[in-house]
Amino acid sequence: AQKITQTQPGMFVQEKEAVTLDCTYDTSDPSYGLFWYKQPSSGEMIFLIYQGSYDQQNATEGRYSLNFQKARKSANLVISASQLGDSAMYFCAMREGWGGGNKLTFGTGTQLKVEL
Amino acid sequence: DTAVSQTPKYLVTQMGNDKSIKCEQNLGHDTMYWYKQDSKKFLKIMFSYNNKELIINETVPNRFSPKSPDKAHLNLHINSLELGDSAVYFCASSPGQGAMLAEAFFGQGTRLTVV
Repeated sequence: AQKITQTQPGMFVQEKEAVTLDCTYDTSDPSYGLFWYKQPSSGEMIFLIYQGSYDQQNATEGRYSLNFQKARKSANLVISASQLGDSAMYFCAMREGWGGGNKLTFGTGTQLKVEL
Repeated sequence: DTAVSQTPKYLVTQMGNDKSIKCEQNLGHDTMYWYKQDSKKFLKIMFSYNNKELIINETVPNRFSPKSPDKAHLNLHINSLELGDSAVYFCASSPGQGAMLAEAFFGQGTRLTVV
């Protein structure tokens, strides 16, 4: 079974609008972390935001927020006030507790295009 | 000062050749990784080292041999390159075991093209 599922291969959003990128995960480990990365066309991997499994509040980082719904095992990324520079590939990733070998497991990504 | 640097950025080589990609991190992290990103952009873990010790080897052909001379360096040597090895290879590092909420820092990637 896929550990991280991103069901939206591509998304379009108008500049200044908000957009939600979906991510669901699968783990039986009570301790885990969820991460979002951005990969622009230049290719580098840019860390955006993380959420711990025990965190009570949703993480926020500037225009990025993580809508964490633990019972539904979802960790959607919300980008508010989209900008042209937000056009990129976005990856959701998970690090599981002690048994995961400390690795990050990635989803297949969502290509976001911000339009004027 | 670059946190995770890998060289070269681009590598074009013929089938059958042997090549190496070098990676260095100056963050003081204990754990380093190699990821492979295929043509569909899927990122898959290849290897993980913690304090120079191999802790993850994800069914990678043994033509791929990682080497960690110290915890700041993790190099990737590939023997007998095949067309299917063409991909972007990312080195990354994170603080280490137990730092579950710490993000991984990535190098800029090495685009390997085998012709």
